[in-house]
Amino acid sequence: DSGVTQTPKHLITATGQRVTLRCSPRSGDLSVYWYQQSLDQGLQFLIQYYNGEERAKGNILERFSAQQFPDLHSELNLSSLELGDSALYFCASTGGVSIGTDTQYFGPGTRLTVL
Amino acid sequence: AQSVTQLGSHVSVSEGALVLLRCNYSSSVPPYLFWYVQYPNQGLQLLLKYTSAATLVKGINGFEAEFKKSETSFHLTKPSAHMSDAAEYFCAVSSSSGSARQLTFGSGTQLTVLP
Repeated sequence: DSGVTQTPKHLITATGQRVTLRCSPRSGDLSVYWYQQSLDQGLQFLIQYYNGEERAKGNILERFSAQQFPDLHSELNLSSLELGDSALYFCASTGGVSIGTDTQYFGPGTRLTVL
Repeated sequence: AQSVTQLGSHVSVSEGALVLLRCNYSSSVPPYLFWYVQYPNQGLQLLLKYTSAATLVKGINGFEAEFKKSETSFHLTKPSAHMSDAAEYFCAVSSSSGSARQLTFGSGTQLTVLP
């Protein structure tokens, strides 16, 4: 158990809908990272938050957004969903802002299926 | 820019045989290198990481990897495979430089251990 929790575990929805994925980092960790894992794109970094502020952006679509709340949990919002958004979404956490050497602790993921 | 190439999307070994999973990296700055393992229906777990100290890195579960700058490689090995090693393995690269602090993952290698 990494100490990172994600809810829900599974989510099935329809095209055009909006969903929210939730992540709680390990106790004391200030950074949260979101990743998308799909068969065709592999594991891709989406976005990082540190202590409530956006820190880095990767291959995140404009239809996707995230935020980190004062209690440090984070939410990833996916809107206008398309079939291709079906994937496993992971969050990970580290203690600091990231200096490149950090070990990222991953949650168990949320499997999103868009029908 | 940085990238990782994992040679062989599927590797099969017999129980007790040597495990060798290949990873080559590309980075314009000194890299930090990681191996993560993903068991079915779970998140990623760190096996080991290279952060510019010793070039031979020992990790959990008997795995180790050697950083070879001349070959731009960071191959993962284990002398004797166990059935419990069956999983997907990901090599990743980051660095201390700007956006490259974020992890860039390879496409993964699925390891099958045959009885």
